[in-house]
Amino acid sequence: EAQVTQNPRYLITVTGKKLTVTCSQNMNHEYMSWYRQDPGLGLRQIYYSMNVEVTDKGDVPEGYKVSRKEKRNFPLILESPSPNQTSLYFCASSFGTGEVEQYFGPGTRLTVT
Amino acid sequence: GQSLEQPSEVTAVEGAIVQINCTYQTSGFYGLSWYQQHDGGAPTFLSYNALDGLEETGRFSSFLSRSDSYGYLLLQELQMKDSASYFCAGGTNAGKSTFGDGTTLTVKP
Repeated sequence: EAQVTQNPRYLITVTGKKLTVTCSQNMNHEYMSWYRQDPGLGLRQIYYSMNVEVTDKGDVPEGYKVSRKEKRNFPLILESPSPNQTSLYFCASSFGTGEVEQYFGPGTRLTVT
Repeated sequence: GQSLEQPSEVTAVEGAIVQINCTYQTSGFYGLSWYQQHDGGAPTFLSYNALDGLEETGRFSSFLSRSDSYGYLLLQELQMKDSASYFCAGGTNAGKSTFGDGTTLTVKP
Protein backbone atom coordinates (compact mmCIF):
# COMPACT_ATOMS: atom_id res chain seq x y z
CA GLU A 1 0.00 0.00 0.00
CA ALA A 2 1.30 3.42 -1.01
CA GLN A 3 1.69 5.50 2.09
CA VAL A 4 3.53 8.06 4.15
CA THR A 5 4.19 7.01 7.73
CA GLN A 6 5.13 9.17 10.68
CA ASN A 7 6.30 8.24 14.15
CA PRO A 8 5.42 8.89 16.85
CA ARG A 9 1.77 9.81 16.34
CA TYR A 10 1.55 11.50 19.72
CA LEU A 11 4.33 12.93 21.86
CA ILE A 12 4.40 14.91 25.07
CA THR A 13 7.81 16.24 26.01
CA VAL A 14 9.48 18.94 28.06
CA THR A 15 11.20 22.11 26.99
CA GLY A 16 14.73 21.58 25.76
CA LYS A 17 14.66 17.81 25.32
CA LYS A 18 15.77 16.96 21.79
CA LEU A 19 13.37 14.93 19.73
CA THR A 20 13.04 13.49 16.25
CA VAL A 21 9.87 12.80 14.32
CA THR A 22 10.43 10.26 11.58
CA CYS A 23 8.78 10.29 8.16
CA SER A 24 9.00 7.58 5.54
CA GLN A 25 7.34 7.09 2.16
CA ASN A 26 7.24 4.01 -0.05
CA MET A 27 6.28 5.67 -3.35
CA ASN A 28 9.78 6.59 -4.54
CA HIS A 29 8.85 10.28 -4.45
CA GLU A 30 11.58 12.85 -5.01
CA TYR A 31 9.81 15.59 -3.05
CA MET A 32 9.14 15.57 0.69
CA SER A 33 7.99 18.32 3.00
CA TRP A 34 7.14 19.06 6.62
CA TYR A 35 4.22 21.23 7.73
CA ARG A 36 2.83 22.36 11.02
CA GLN A 37 -0.84 23.09 11.59
CA ASP A 38 -2.16 25.21 14.42
CA PRO A 39 -5.84 25.73 15.30
CA GLY A 40 -7.65 27.85 12.76
CA LEU A 41 -4.66 28.05 10.50
CA GLY A 42 -3.65 26.30 7.37
CA LEU A 43 -0.57 24.22 6.96
CA ARG A 44 2.65 26.16 7.16
CA GLN A 45 5.67 24.71 5.46
CA ILE A 46 8.70 24.15 7.70
CA TYR A 47 11.24 22.54 5.37
CA TYR A 48 11.13 20.71 2.09
CA SER A 49 13.42 18.50 0.08
CA MET A 50 13.52 18.19 -3.68
CA ASN A 51 15.74 15.10 -3.57
CA VAL A 52 18.41 13.31 -1.55
CA GLU A 53 20.81 15.74 0.15
CA VAL A 54 18.75 18.72 -1.11
CA THR A 55 16.76 20.58 1.54
CA ASP A 56 15.44 24.12 1.79
CA LYS A 57 13.58 26.33 4.22
CA GLY A 58 9.87 26.83 4.09
CA ASP A 59 8.00 29.67 5.75
CA VAL A 60 8.58 28.69 9.40
CA PRO A 61 11.97 26.91 9.70
CA GLU A 62 13.16 28.45 12.98
CA GLY A 63 13.80 25.85 15.68
CA TYR A 64 13.73 22.89 13.29
CA LYS A 65 16.26 20.82 11.38
CA VAL A 66 15.86 18.20 8.69
CA SER A 67 18.02 15.78 6.77
CA ARG A 68 17.52 13.75 3.60
CA LYS A 69 20.11 11.02 3.49
CA GLU A 70 17.84 8.49 1.79
CA LYS A 71 15.06 9.07 -0.69
CA ARG A 72 12.39 7.45 1.45
CA ASN A 73 13.14 9.15 4.79
CA PHE A 74 12.86 12.77 5.88
CA PRO A 75 13.14 13.16 9.67
CA LEU A 76 12.23 16.37 11.47
CA ILE A 77 14.51 17.28 14.37
CA LEU A 78 13.75 19.67 17.20
CA GLU A 79 17.06 20.28 18.93
CA SER A 80 15.59 22.25 21.84
CA PRO A 81 11.81 22.18 21.73
CA SER A 82 9.86 25.08 23.19
CA PRO A 83 6.16 25.40 24.07
CA ASN A 84 5.47 27.44 20.91
CA GLN A 85 6.33 24.33 18.90
CA THR A 86 3.31 22.56 20.32
CA SER A 87 1.41 21.75 17.16
CA LEU A 88 0.15 19.12 14.76
CA TYR A 89 2.86 18.12 12.31
CA PHE A 90 2.39 16.57 8.88
CA CYS A 91 4.90 15.06 6.54
CA ALA A 92 4.07 14.90 2.84
CA SER A 93 5.62 13.55 -0.34
CA SER A 94 5.05 14.03 -4.03
CA PHE A 95 6.41 13.31 -7.46
CA GLY A 96 8.20 16.18 -9.11
CA THR A 97 8.59 19.41 -7.22
CA GLY A 98 5.57 19.31 -4.94
CA GLU A 99 3.24 21.65 -6.76
CA VAL A 100 0.91 18.82 -7.68
CA GLU A 101 -0.63 16.08 -5.57
CA GLN A 102 1.01 15.71 -2.18
CA TYR A 103 0.42 12.58 -0.10
CA PHE A 104 0.23 13.32 3.61
CA GLY A 105 1.17 11.21 6.58
CA PRO A 106 -1.31 10.73 9.45
CA GLY A 107 0.18 13.53 11.54
CA THR A 108 2.12 13.81 14.79
CA ARG A 109 0.54 15.69 17.66
CA LEU A 110 3.34 17.24 19.70
CA THR A 111 2.95 18.90 23.07
CA VAL A 112 5.90 20.69 24.65
CA THR A 113 5.45 21.62 28.32
CA GLY B 1 6.32 35.27 -0.82
CA GLN B 2 2.90 33.84 -1.22
CA SER B 3 -0.45 34.33 0.47
CA LEU B 4 -3.79 32.74 -0.26
CA GLU B 5 -7.13 33.94 1.05
CA GLN B 6 -10.29 31.93 1.34
CA PRO B 7 -13.49 32.31 3.37
CA SER B 8 -13.33 30.84 6.86
CA GLU B 9 -16.75 29.18 6.82
CA VAL B 10 -19.40 28.08 4.36
CA THR B 11 -22.71 26.37 5.09
CA ALA B 12 -24.92 24.54 2.60
CA VAL B 13 -27.65 21.92 2.56
CA GLU B 14 -27.42 18.36 1.38
CA GLY B 15 -27.81 18.05 -2.38
CA ALA B 16 -26.87 21.67 -3.06
CA ILE B 17 -23.87 23.14 -4.87
CA VAL B 18 -21.25 25.19 -3.06
CA GLN B 19 -18.31 27.23 -4.32
CA ILE B 20 -15.22 27.97 -2.22
CA ASN B 21 -13.14 30.83 -3.54
CA CYS B 22 -9.43 31.37 -3.24
CA THR B 23 -7.49 34.48 -4.17
CA TYR B 24 -3.74 34.49 -4.13
CA GLN B 25 -0.74 36.72 -4.23
CA THR B 26 2.36 34.89 -5.06
CA SER B 27 5.65 35.10 -6.83
CA GLY B 28 6.72 32.23 -9.04
CA PHE B 29 3.24 30.75 -8.92
CA TYR B 30 3.04 27.41 -10.66
CA GLY B 31 -0.42 26.06 -9.97
CA LEU B 32 -3.29 25.85 -7.51
CA SER B 33 -4.23 22.71 -5.57
CA TRP B 34 -7.16 21.85 -3.35
CA TYR B 35 -7.15 19.57 -0.33
CA GLN B 36 -9.82 18.22 1.98
CA GLN B 37 -9.24 17.59 5.67
CA HIS B 38 -11.65 15.96 8.06
CA ASP B 39 -11.30 16.75 11.75
CA GLY B 40 -7.97 15.51 13.07
CA GLY B 41 -7.15 13.74 9.85
CA ALA B 42 -4.55 14.09 7.16
CA PRO B 43 -5.23 16.40 4.22
CA THR B 44 -6.15 14.55 1.05
CA PHE B 45 -5.65 15.85 -2.47
CA LEU B 46 -8.74 16.82 -4.47
CA SER B 47 -7.68 18.73 -7.55
CA TYR B 48 -4.92 20.69 -9.27
CA ASN B 49 -4.99 23.46 -11.87
CA ALA B 50 -1.84 24.38 -13.72
CA LEU B 51 -3.66 26.12 -16.58
CA ASP B 52 -6.61 28.48 -16.70
CA GLY B 53 -9.95 26.79 -16.88
CA LEU B 54 -12.02 24.12 -15.25
CA GLU B 55 -10.89 20.71 -14.08
CA GLU B 56 -13.62 18.21 -13.26
CA THR B 57 -13.24 15.17 -11.03
CA GLY B 58 -16.55 13.56 -10.26
CA ARG B 59 -18.62 15.79 -7.97
CA PHE B 60 -15.68 18.16 -7.50
CA SER B 61 -14.48 20.76 -10.00
CA SER B 62 -11.78 23.36 -9.70
CA PHE B 63 -11.22 26.52 -11.66
CA LEU B 64 -8.23 28.81 -12.13
CA SER B 65 -7.83 32.25 -13.63
CA ARG B 66 -4.21 33.37 -13.58
CA SER B 67 -5.03 36.84 -14.86
CA ASP B 68 -7.33 37.38 -11.86
CA SER B 69 -5.14 35.46 -9.38
CA TYR B 70 -8.27 33.58 -8.46
CA GLY B 71 -9.54 30.06 -8.24
CA TYR B 72 -12.43 28.16 -6.79
CA LEU B 73 -13.51 24.69 -5.80
CA LEU B 74 -17.02 23.66 -6.75
CA LEU B 75 -18.71 20.83 -4.90
CA GLN B 76 -21.92 19.44 -6.39
CA GLU B 77 -24.60 17.16 -4.98
CA LEU B 78 -23.37 17.84 -1.48
CA GLN B 79 -23.38 14.97 0.96
CA MET B 80 -23.07 15.01 4.74
CA LYS B 81 -19.62 13.42 4.44
CA ASP B 82 -18.43 16.50 2.56
CA SER B 83 -18.46 18.41 5.86
CA ALA B 84 -14.76 19.13 6.31
CA SER B 85 -12.13 21.81 5.90
CA TYR B 86 -10.96 22.70 2.42
CA PHE B 87 -7.61 24.27 1.67
CA CYS B 88 -6.29 25.91 -1.45
CA ALA B 89 -2.54 25.69 -1.89
CA GLY B 90 -0.18 27.47 -4.23
CA GLY B 91 3.02 25.86 -5.35
CA THR B 92 6.13 26.89 -7.17
CA ASN B 93 8.35 24.67 -9.25
CA ALA B 94 11.10 25.40 -6.74
CA GLY B 95 9.35 23.38 -4.04
CA LYS B 96 7.76 26.12 -1.94
CA SER B 97 4.17 25.36 -1.04
CA THR B 98 1.77 27.76 0.70
CA PHE B 99 -1.66 26.88 2.02
CA GLY B 100 -4.63 29.11 2.72
CA ASP B 101 -6.09 29.07 6.23
CA GLY B 102 -8.90 26.78 5.16
CA THR B 103 -12.66 26.95 4.70
CA THR B 104 -14.85 24.94 7.04
CA LEU B 105 -17.78 23.53 5.10
CA THR B 106 -20.83 22.47 7.07
CA VAL B 107 -23.41 20.45 5.20
CA LYS B 108 -26.85 20.44 6.81
CA PRO B 109 -29.64 17.92 6.18
